[in-house]
Amino acid sequence: AQSVSQHNHHVILSEAASLELGCNYSYGGTVNLFWYVQYPGQHLQLLLKYFSGDPLVKGIKGFEAEFIKSKFSFNLRKPSVQWSDTAEYFCAVNDGRTYKYIFGTGTRLKVLA
Amino acid sequence: DAGITQSPRHKVTETGTPVTLRCHQTENHRYMYWYRQDPGHGLRLIHYSYGVKDTDKGEVSDGYSVSRSKTEDFLLTLESATSSQTSVYFCAIRDFLGMNTEAFFGQGTRLTVV
Repeated sequence: AQSVSQHNHHVILSEAASLELGCNYSYGGTVNLFWYVQYPGQHLQLLLKYFSGDPLVKGIKGFEAEFIKSKFSFNLRKPSVQWSDTAEYFCAVNDGRTYKYIFGTGTRLKVLA
Repeated sequence: DAGITQSPRHKVTETGTPVTLRCHQTENHRYMYWYRQDPGHGLRLIHYSYGVKDTDKGEVSDGYSVSRSKTEDFLLTLESATSSQTSVYFCAIRDFLGMNTEAFFGQGTRLTVV
C-alpha cells in the first residue's frame, strides 16, 4: 500500500529564513506528487504538483519542490518565508490506477514576524 | 475556486444519531472523495466515487456509507454517530483526464458528536 511520510510535524521559523519540508513516499510505480497548503480555518489549496519531466517544480507564492526518484522524496522549499506562509502543509501522492490521493500527516509551519 | 459546496458547514449531533453530509459540485467532475482531517493524522480517505452509483472504500470507511445518485452530489452518512467521528470532513473532486490532474477541495464540514 502507498504511504506518505512527512518528517517535520511542527516547524517554527523567523521571517526571511529558508524553508525545507521533507516528504517521502512508498510506491514503486509511476506516481503524481503534490503539495497542498491549508491556511488557518480554510480548505486545502494546491501549491504545486509533479507529473513528469523536470524534477524541479515551481509552484505559487515562491515555493518549489524537487522530485528525487532514487530517494522516493519530494521535498518542499522556499528561500525566504513570510509571516503569511504560516499554515499547514500536506504532501500527497496519487498512483493513477485507483485515483486515490494519499496524504501525509502534515507539517504545521509558524513564521514569526 | 472549484465549484464545490459542502453542507452543513458546522454540525453538532448526539451520539447514536444518523448524520448526512452533502457535497455538491458544479464542475461535472467524475471523481469525488470524502476525507476526514484529524490532528496528527492528516487527511484520511473515507470513501470515493468514480461515477454515478460507483463507489469504493477508503482507508477509514468503517461506520460510514456513501451514495452518489447523480454526478453533482456525493453524500456521506454516519449511520450512528460516535464521538470518534468528531472531525473535519472535506469533500474533493477530480476530473477524468487520465492520471495528470489534481484534486480540488471543498471548504469542509466541522462535525462534533457529543
